[in-house]
Amino acid sequence: ETGVTQTPRHLVMGMTNKKSLKCEQHLGHNAMYWYKQSAKKPLELMFVYSLEERVENNSVPSRFSPECPNSSHLFLHLHTLQPEDSALYLCASSQDITNTEAFFGQGTRLTVV
Amino acid sequence: GIQVEQSPPDLILQEGANSTLRCNFSDSVNNLQWFHQNPWGQLINLFYIPSGTKQNGRLSATTVATERYSLLYISSSQTTDSGVYFCAVFGGATNKLIFGTGTLLAVQP
Repeated sequence: ETGVTQTPRHLVMGMTNKKSLKCEQHLGHNAMYWYKQSAKKPLELMFVYSLEERVENNSVPSRFSPECPNSSHLFLHLHTLQPEDSALYLCASSQDITNTEAFFGQGTRLTVV
Repeated sequence: GIQVEQSPPDLILQEGANSTLRCNFSDSVNNLQWFHQNPWGQLINLFYIPSGTKQNGRLSATTVATERYSLLYISSSQTTDSGVYFCAVFGGATNKLIFGTGTLLAVQP
């Protein structure tokens, strides 16, 4: 049982669809992250939230829109994606955004058709 | 930014063998973690080890921060150890946990 839960685990969507990925952490952490893992590439940091405020946006296209309504929940809203956006999307949390241990969810495997 | 390199990129072992995975980083760091990514994609925390040595069962890790490297030791490997091992570092002036490219380990029965 992980302290960070992501839903859905798998998602197939068309390029004109709108969908959302959800992440919930039960660890009492103040920082949450979205990472993207494409085939044959290292994990790429997308967004960082600290106390519900976005502190990092790593040059991510606007078709990815994050939302952090409270310190326990993080969403990634998706619209008009491209096939190259197909990847494993991982959510993580840590106590804060300074050098503390990060814990990851199970990931959402996204396929854009 | 900080560069993180892992070696070897791929490793095949027979069950019961020992192995050492290496992580080099290009700048001083405040945090280093080792993860195991299972076949379903989840990243499992192995060690949080900015410096020193830690052991957990058949696994141990050593980080020599002054020389900018960390080692992960796997002893008496089992097929369930298969997967990708990542190191990730947090340092410099950024709020980023930077991942290495990983070591793909296959343990054969």
